[in-house]
Amino acid sequence: AQSVTQLDSHVSVSEGTPVLLRCNYSSSYSPSLFWYVQHPNKGLQLLLKYTSAATLVKGINGFEAEFKKSETSFHLTKPSAHMSDAAEYFCVVAEEGTNAGKSTFGDGTTLTVKP
Amino acid sequence: DTGVSQDPRHKITKRGQNVTFRCDPISEHNRLYWYRQTLGQGPEFLTYFQNEAQLEKSRLLSDRFSAERPKGSFSTLEIQRTEQGDSAMYLCASSPSGRDTDTQYFGPGTRLTVL
Repeated sequence: AQSVTQLDSHVSVSEGTPVLLRCNYSSSYSPSLFWYVQHPNKGLQLLLKYTSAATLVKGINGFEAEFKKSETSFHLTKPSAHMSDAAEYFCVVAEEGTNAGKSTFGDGTTLTVKP
Repeated sequence: DTGVSQDPRHKITKRGQNVTFRCDPISEHNRLYWYRQTLGQGPEFLTYFQNEAQLEKSRLLSDRFSAERPKGSFSTLEIQRTEQGDSAMYLCASSPSGRDTDTQYFGPGTRLTVL
């Protein structure tokens, strides 16, 4: 069984300051981990994906995530927030093997960016 | 646009009516997934197909729900005798075969409102 916990339901930052969205996961296997973003009235967009190639993953729009196996964490960061980053962010763990792709989502973190 | 498409985008129905949603995946993606998302929560897995074969159904998918992918291309999700608790966003995603089969691309969703 696998699960995802997003530790903050809401995060508020000022424009130009760093962003940290926290995610812990539980998986029986070496997981595939993702971050997706959902803007209001828009579909889920893939931000980045972790496989096993590198623990620091770079995504789109300046976002990064670091996989820490010892802490079972996959936190999402961005050095400087932009107003357009305001959205809902989901951390996702995907199964491997024959069920590859079947995903478990966290409950989401709403990011607010203040001017 | 060659992304995942869903139709309709919005559906309002009365309790007890049947509804059917359609999903067209990215061309040549052999896996197709259905999720349900309620307000304030992350998407929850419902079912998925590999080509025309339905490989797994969540226990969330009651007997009133049925999904098909008859020719391994588009898929339909039908809800019979709708209930107010069925009101949600229904999301479809697809993924390719091979190394990136766990990477899902989402459609814009169908928002269902049951009155």
